[in-house]
Amino acid sequence: NAGVTQTPKFQVLKTGQSMTLQCAQDMNHEYMSWYRQDPGMGLRLIHYSVGAGITDQGEVPNGYNVSRSTTEDFPLRLLSAAPSQTSVYFCASSYPGSLKAFFGQGTRLTVV
Amino acid sequence: QKEVEQDPGPLSVPEGAIVSLNCTYSNSAFQYFMWYRQYSRKGPELLMYTYSSGNKEDGRFTAQVDKSSKYISLFIRDSQPSDSATYLCAMSVGTNFGNEKLTFGTGTRLTIIP
Repeated sequence: NAGVTQTPKFQVLKTGQSMTLQCAQDMNHEYMSWYRQDPGMGLRLIHYSVGAGITDQGEVPNGYNVSRSTTEDFPLRLLSAAPSQTSVYFCASSYPGSLKAFFGQGTRLTVV
Repeated sequence: QKEVEQDPGPLSVPEGAIVSLNCTYSNSAFQYFMWYRQYSRKGPELLMYTYSSGNKEDGRFTAQVDKSSKYISLFIRDSQPSDSATYLCAMSVGTNFGNEKLTFGTGTRLTIIP
């Protein structure tokens, strides 16, 4: 029972590079979200999706793109990495009407 | 001002002590209140949730909500070293189209000293 799987676990990027953080869940959850966690800031919502083909912006969406072509996958794209995007990124999923969100193990991203 | 404020800690207490963790919020639309526990270098895991004022108990853990004061608490009785973690409060405006958008506190790092 894999739950929410994020890849890669660690990544170092140079300023200006692009990359995609992968998130997959095998629980058939309709809701999926991306958060970033920074010291002293807690978890902040980047983008979220309530189903395949539907996405919307959260609190800190600038510099990130998402798409949701399948229920299982919700990739997060960094268009042109900046040092301010150095953070730990978490993907979460849940059923509609459920207060329990399942989180992945996180991706630690460093932009130099 | 942040929508959710949480005592940052860190907090260190001896094993067996009662621990009190707290959050305040400003958005009256929040209806659902959760506590997540996050071990070092892991993702958060839901510990407890509640949606009404009053207390909810689960073993050694009690979640308390006071909507009139916009204040929530998590109490841990008979604290154990395994309770050492960061505790995050989280809030949502509703379950139907709200649980995908959680608003978190900054987290309190708790250490239980054997």
